Amino acid sequence: KAGVTQTPRYLIKTRGQQVTLSCSPISGHRSVSWYQQTPGQGLQFLFEYFSETQRNKGNFPGRFSGRQFSNSRSEMNVSTLELGDSALYLCASSFTGELFFGEGSRLTVL
Amino acid sequence: AQSVTQPDIHITVSEGASLELRCNYSYGATPYLFWYVQSPGQGLQLLLKYFSGDTLVQGIKGFEAEFKRSQSSFNLRKPSVHWSDAAEYFCAVGENTDKLIFGTGTRLQVFP
Repeated sequence: KAGVTQTPRYLIKTRGQQVTLSCSPISGHRSVSWYQQTPGQGLQFLFEYFSETQRNKGNFPGRFSGRQFSNSRSEMNVSTLELGDSALYLCASSFTGELFFGEGSRLTVL
Repeated sequence: AQSVTQPDIHITVSEGASLELRCNYSYGATPYLFWYVQSPGQGLQLLLKYFSGDTLVQGIKGFEAEFKRSQSSFNLRKPSVHWSDAAEYFCAVGENTDKLIFGTGTRLQVFP
């Protein structure tokens, strides 16, 4: 069974640009969560989707958004990038009782 | 406010020695409790979880953790550490798996 797949793995953007990150969950998993990991703030919850609906949202500005498609694949978008958005963005899918994480997308904002 | 504290930022042990990583939490009810491990450049892997029942839970790779309600703790233990255990360890709590609060992590270094 394939794991959680995140693309791209690495990307570099400049301030003011926007970025879209993709996450393909494990087959059969309908819940997808996103986390931001930085050295200063650690792991912080961004949002969680289930059956194309956002069920939970963390304390991030509106520049951070996401969506989930009917096949459970999810995307997150960050607009008007700031230097502080440089981070490892982790996606996780779950069926019940356990989160399975992808390897992350490392975003560098210059 | 809900929070997780991992008091030890960095721990160094010798291979074969025992290990205990501390985790304390603040939560309104009895939460779901998790320990994850992250190797450099990798995502997080679940070591073990506690939902209810027996307060001593066994996980993968020889790890175990004990839930102590009176101390609001969920410490991770391993009787004999292997060099491959060197990684960063995260404790997490949540009402379920939909929205977890993570601790700041403990980096484990293992000397031969």
